[in-house]
Amino acid sequence: EDQVTQSPEALRLQEGESSSLNCSYTVSGLRGLFWYRQDPGKGPEFLFTLYSAGEEKEKERLKATLTKKESFLHITAPKPEDSATYLCAVLHSGGGADGLTFGKGTHLIIQP
Amino acid sequence: KAGVTQTPRYLIKTRGQQVTLSCSPISGHRSVSWYQQTPGQGLQFLFEYFSETQRNKGNFPGRFSGRQFSNSRSEMNVSTLELGDSALYLCASSPTGGEYGYTFGSGTRLTVV
Repeated sequence: EDQVTQSPEALRLQEGESSSLNCSYTVSGLRGLFWYRQDPGKGPEFLFTLYSAGEEKEKERLKATLTKKESFLHITAPKPEDSATYLCAVLHSGGGADGLTFGKGTHLIIQP
Repeated sequence: KAGVTQTPRYLIKTRGQQVTLSCSPISGHRSVSWYQQTPGQGLQFLFEYFSETQRNKGNFPGRFSGRQFSNSRSEMNVSTLELGDSALYLCASSPTGGEYGYTFGSGTRLTVV
């Protein structure tokens, strides 16, 4: 069964304390891996798309990396405004509905 | 540049009723997808429309249906509402779908009582 698993489910950090969020996937024919940020009561906000193993993308304090089995979202020196739920999703060609398959997300809290 | 617009933002319906949700995609985007988000199941894919045709469908009962108009606007309909249909319904648009990525709207919060 195609799966996307995110860990940890929740993470509490002090401001400036760097960490990484994990997204592991078991799908056939990966066509793209997406990272989104979601604030309470809002829709997911696009962050990155990664297409092939070894690819990396950066935006401000965030950096996303991709291997053949997982992706990491590295957060460097986070600020309180980085607090949100971070969602990972994959698009794959191996059967199924061909929509995005999402993980359950990592709820990140950055304390001042 | 206007984003994805969903209406209404909030909706309360009674079991057994039906409901229609609306989504206006970003100008020029031809693909519109719908997702259901609940605390227990997370985000789940409902269906995708491209150029007025349903291109993909998730694993939801036939009570969930949708359509897309010639201007790419989309509607989603849920008939015979059940308590378990209470969720945030999200619409996402994309130029052509797939690898180009998706921009989400703020969603419609549906509560079934």
